[in-house]
Amino acid sequence: QSVLTQPPSVSAAPGQRITICCSGSSSNVGSNYVSWYRQVPGTAPKLLIYENDRRPSGIPDRFSGSKSGTSATLGITGLQTGDEADYYCGTWDSTLSAFVFGTGTKVTVL
Amino acid sequence: EVQLVQSGGGPVKPGGSLRLSCSASGFTFYNYGMNWVRQAPGKGLEWVSFISSSSTYKYYADSVRGRFTISRDNAKHSIFLQMNSLRAEDTAVYYCARGDDNSFPDTFDYWGQGTLVTVSS
Repeated sequence: QSVLTQPPSVSAAPGQRITICCSGSSSNVGSNYVSWYRQVPGTAPKLLIYENDRRPSGIPDRFSGSKSGTSATLGITGLQTGDEADYYCGTWDSTLSAFVFGTGTKVTVL
Repeated sequence: EVQLVQSGGGPVKPGGSLRLSCSASGFTFYNYGMNWVRQAPGKGLEWVSFISSSSTYKYYADSVRGRFTISRDNAKHSIFLQMNSLRAEDTAVYYCARGDDNSFPDTFDYWGQGTLVTVSS
């Protein structure tokens, strides 16, 4: 029962743009940095976005992050078959004194 | 190249104990907080514990507080997770992950390969 809610699944055709929303509250998303992770099943997660909208070196600019109020969004443009994976948001919750991950979103490329 | 190499997983009976290790290389270890994150079979990611660079700050998920203990040895570039009173619901792949130089977990930029812990009678 995560405190961060994501859509269970998102799908689109190759080349399209998708967005994944991460909905939280004032004690987590609303007051702390959000990061995003991609995980191909059976492998370790990989950092995509940190501090709401910053990309680590090596992450293409097809991936973007934003935050407004108590929601954060991951955007992926030019969708590729290799983008099929599970995506998680995460942030510190100041009330729980715990890091919380989102419920996860499975991206399918049609 | 940053590397996190894990060891110590395996099968254990309910109520038993296990110690996980994560050995780091390729960066100035004592400058970074470190974390443990787990993933139960078919489930999402669950953060487990954080230890700051100098061990001043330690945090735990409610689900493991009082049973798990995180520690680090900066001289050996390693972190550890001592897991006691294990339960079936602790069955998961456990990952160590590098944080940043904060007093709480913020971003996990490098991850270990994961190690499976199976709690079953």
